[in-house]
Amino acid sequence: EVQLVESGGGLVQSGGSLRLSCAVSGFSFSTYWMSWVRQAPGKGLEWVANIQQEGREKYYMDSVKGRFIISRDNAKNSLYLHLNSLRAEDTALYYCARYGSYIDAIDTWGQGTMVTVSS
Amino acid sequence: DIQMTQSPSSLSASVGDRVTITCRASQTISRYLNWYQQKPGKGPNLLIYAASSLQRGVPSRFSGSGSGTDFTLTISSLQPEDFAAYYCQQSSTTPHTFGGGTKVEIK
Repeated sequence: EVQLVESGGGLVQSGGSLRLSCAVSGFSFSTYWMSWVRQAPGKGLEWVANIQQEGREKYYMDSVKGRFIISRDNAKNSLYLHLNSLRAEDTALYYCARYGSYIDAIDTWGQGTMVTVSS
Repeated sequence: DIQMTQSPSSLSASVGDRVTITCRASQTISRYLNWYQQKPGKGPNLLIYAASSLQRGVPSRFSGSGSGTDFTLTISSLQPEDFAAYYCQQSSTTPHTFGGGTKVEIK
């Protein structure tokens, strides 16, 4: 069974840092693009970043560039998101997500980990 | 960045109704358009990719159409389990932006 399990969320003060992790199982992690998508409470989906299979290509939304870093460890079947210089507007449920093999769409989602930034 | 505009933001419909949701891109995205369904408290679920391809396991009452800048998601006969939020997403250019969402509620 394909599974994506996020962890690492919590309450942090404005300006602080967190590291989110996503442990995957049930598929060949190293052959898929991966992504982080967030959702603020009561709001819509917001694409945050994605990373190529070997980690050489990384892309970010403008508001997190220079503050967030996406990375992966294929040996550990894990995806990460390092969140720095956190702001109140970063408060959201952060989903780990997998892009499909031959489709440019997210075909598998985790259950999310909540990040709350207090000002 | 490419902006995705969905309409309506919400709608009320009855079981059996035909429902149409539209999504417009701020610039052409060919057919790099995906649709997701999200139920309360759950992660999203892929319905349609590449504008009109039905994801495996998704009921055939869901269909997608369009290309360029204008796209449509249609539910041919609304079922009780279809009451949810729906989002479009462009995957033509990073960042792969989402539309604001459409909430489908029971009339």
